[in-house]
Amino acid sequence: EDQVTQSPEALRLQEGESSSLNCSYTVSGLRGLFWYRQDPGKGPEFLFTLYSAGEEKEKERLKATLTKKESFLHITAPKPEDSATYLCAVHPSGTYKYIFGTGTRLKVLA
Amino acid sequence: NAGVTQTPKFQVLKTGQSMTLQCAQDMNHNSMYWYRQDPGMGLRLIYYSASEGTTDKGEVPNGYNVSRLNKREFSLRLESAAPSQTSVYFCASSETGGLMNTEAFFGQGTRLTVV
Repeated sequence: EDQVTQSPEALRLQEGESSSLNCSYTVSGLRGLFWYRQDPGKGPEFLFTLYSAGEEKEKERLKATLTKKESFLHITAPKPEDSATYLCAVHPSGTYKYIFGTGTRLKVLA
Repeated sequence: NAGVTQTPKFQVLKTGQSMTLQCAQDMNHNSMYWYRQDPGMGLRLIYYSASEGTTDKGEVPNGYNVSRLNKREFSLRLESAAPSQTSVYFCASSETGGLMNTEAFFGQGTRLTVV
């Protein structure tokens, strides 16, 4: 069964304190892995797509990496405005579905 | 471009009432989706439409029906609302026919309360 597990559920960081969020997945074949940011009361906002193991993408303080079993979202020197829920999703090969993890709630304290 | 637009943004229903959630996208995407989001459960797929003229059940389809009205619009209907359907509903669209760039884009959500 296709499955996505994110950890930790919640994370509190001091401003400038770097950390990583984890997304473990089980799929029969991977068409793509996606990271989204979701602010309270809003819809998920697309951040990155990763297609194959070893791939990396960067945007400002965020860097996403992919292996055959997991993805990491590295946050370098976070700021309070990085506070949000970060969602990971997979798009299994041969399907039209996107399967989401339950997310990591990140709080960055000034 | 508006992206994915959902209406209404908020709704309160009484148990047994019916309603239709509307969704429209202006990105010329083939595929559209309805998800619900509940605390601790993440985003769960209700129904999806791979292309105009087709619809399929997702993970939690019971109590819902959908209509892919045309390439732009995909509606979700609750025939007889139940308190268990209190949730935030998100519509999304994606271009799944290509080899790359298959990310889904989401609307701002409809917050539904059934009392």
